[in-house]
Amino acid sequence: QSVLTQPPSVSAAPGQKVTISCSGSSSNIGNNYVSWYQQLPGTAPKLLIYDNSKRPSGIPDRFSGSKSGTSATLGITGLQTGDEADYYCGTWDSSLSVVMFGGGTKLTVL
Amino acid sequence: QVQLVESGGGLVKPGESLTLSCAASGFTFSDYYMSWIRQAPGKGLEWVSYIGSSGTYTRYADSVKGRFTISRDNAKNSLYLQMNSLRAEDTAVYYCARRIEGGDDYWGQGTLVTVSS
Repeated sequence: QSVLTQPPSVSAAPGQKVTISCSGSSSNIGNNYVSWYQQLPGTAPKLLIYDNSKRPSGIPDRFSGSKSGTSATLGITGLQTGDEADYYCGTWDSSLSVVMFGGGTKLTVL
Repeated sequence: QVQLVESGGGLVKPGESLTLSCAASGFTFSDYYMSWIRQAPGKGLEWVSYIGSSGTYTRYADSVKGRFTISRDNAKNSLYLQMNSLRAEDTAVYYCARRIEGGDDYWGQGTLVTVSS
C-alpha cells in the first residue's frame, strides 16, 4: 500500500477532461515537488509533469499539474484514445529520506 | 538525444546475486543524479535507489537496504546496481532513470529480473 494515494481508475469520453488526484502528507507532497508519469501499455514510464506544474519539452499543454497543501492533481483535457495509460505521481519524503510513488491510476478513454 | 540502456537482467535463484548496468549517452552523465526504479509484474512503480552525481551520495528503499548497492563510473557513463541475496519479491523490471530535482526525466526501456527456484 502506497503512502501516496491515487484512485485506482478514472474514465472519461474522448474530448472530455479528467483529473487524477494524489494525496500525501506534510512530509512528502506538502513540502516537496511532485512529478507525474505516464506509462503506456508495455512501455517505460515517461515524465509528464515535474516541479508540481512544469511540462518537459514535447509534452502538450493538454497535460497540467497543480498542488495544494498535501495533495496534487494531474489534469488532462481533450482526451484522446492514445491517452489510455497508467499514471503515477511521485515525490520525495523528507522524513523517510526516500522517493515515493503513488499506486497508479488507470485511465480509460471510453 | 538522451539514451539510457539497461542490461544484465535474467533468471536467478533465491539467494543469488546479479549486477545490472545502465549505459548513458546524449548528456553529460557526471552532471546528474541517477535512479533505479522497479516494477513487479502487474504492479506499480517502486523506487529502489539513487546516487549523486559524483557517486558519494546514495539512498536506498528499506526493501533493498543492505542487499543492493548502487554505483556509477562517470568515465564510462555507466550506472550499476549490485543485487545480493535476491528474493522472489525482487522479481521486477528494473529501470534506470536520470534524476532532476523535481522528478526522473528520462527512463531506459528496463531489464527484467526474475528470482525463482
